[in-house]
Amino acid sequence: EAQVTQNPRYLITVTGKKLTVTCSQNMNHEYMSWYRQDPGLGLRQIYYSMNVEVTDKGDVPEGYKVSRKEKRNFPLILESPSPNQTSLYFCASSRQFPGNTIYFGEGSWLTVV
Amino acid sequence: AQTVTQSQPEMSVQEAETVTLSCTYDTSESDYYLFWYKQPPSRQMILVIRQEAYKQQNATENRFSVNFQKAAKSFSLKISDSQLGDAAMYFCAYYGNNDMRFGAGTRLTVKP
Repeated sequence: EAQVTQNPRYLITVTGKKLTVTCSQNMNHEYMSWYRQDPGLGLRQIYYSMNVEVTDKGDVPEGYKVSRKEKRNFPLILESPSPNQTSLYFCASSRQFPGNTIYFGEGSWLTVV
Repeated sequence: AQTVTQSQPEMSVQEAETVTLSCTYDTSESDYYLFWYKQPPSRQMILVIRQEAYKQQNATENRFSVNFQKAAKSFSLKISDSQLGDAAMYFCAYYGNNDMRFGAGTRLTVKP
């Protein structure tokens, strides 16, 4: 079954404590991306990756890092989380580019206190 | 930068009736893709319909169809014979030249 898997699904953490949200896809997709969803703002792209070792900033990259060492994995790293990073996060993947069908993970609820 | 605007934060429709959700976008690209996504309370993102900008024919998926007006940069979603299960948040999205953008969403309520 085609899947994009995110972990953790729910997390409450404290300001400044580094955390990583993992994302893995089993479809051999080249393109992967991270979004955050906030009320009234829709989804905003944080980072995307066109392939292994190729990443680029989206609209709201500040405070986040990513890496793409393997095709299937695209972790999102918050080096020093702050309360304004409290949000619902989605990982997504697609073949080659998002003009193809984009598969979304189930979302990760992150609260920073 | 490209923008996607959904001017209706909330919409309501009677079951079995038809409703149209509006979306406009701004781009200088000639080749791009447009999408409508549905997000039910579970927060799962579900693709409803997709339109390639180079295709003049409007996309249709069962009860869902779009009115794509390229010159006007308009991409509305029509839901026919609305069902209770259609109640959700709907997002319009644009992709072109490595740029992926979503509108702020329209919350659709379906009244029995």
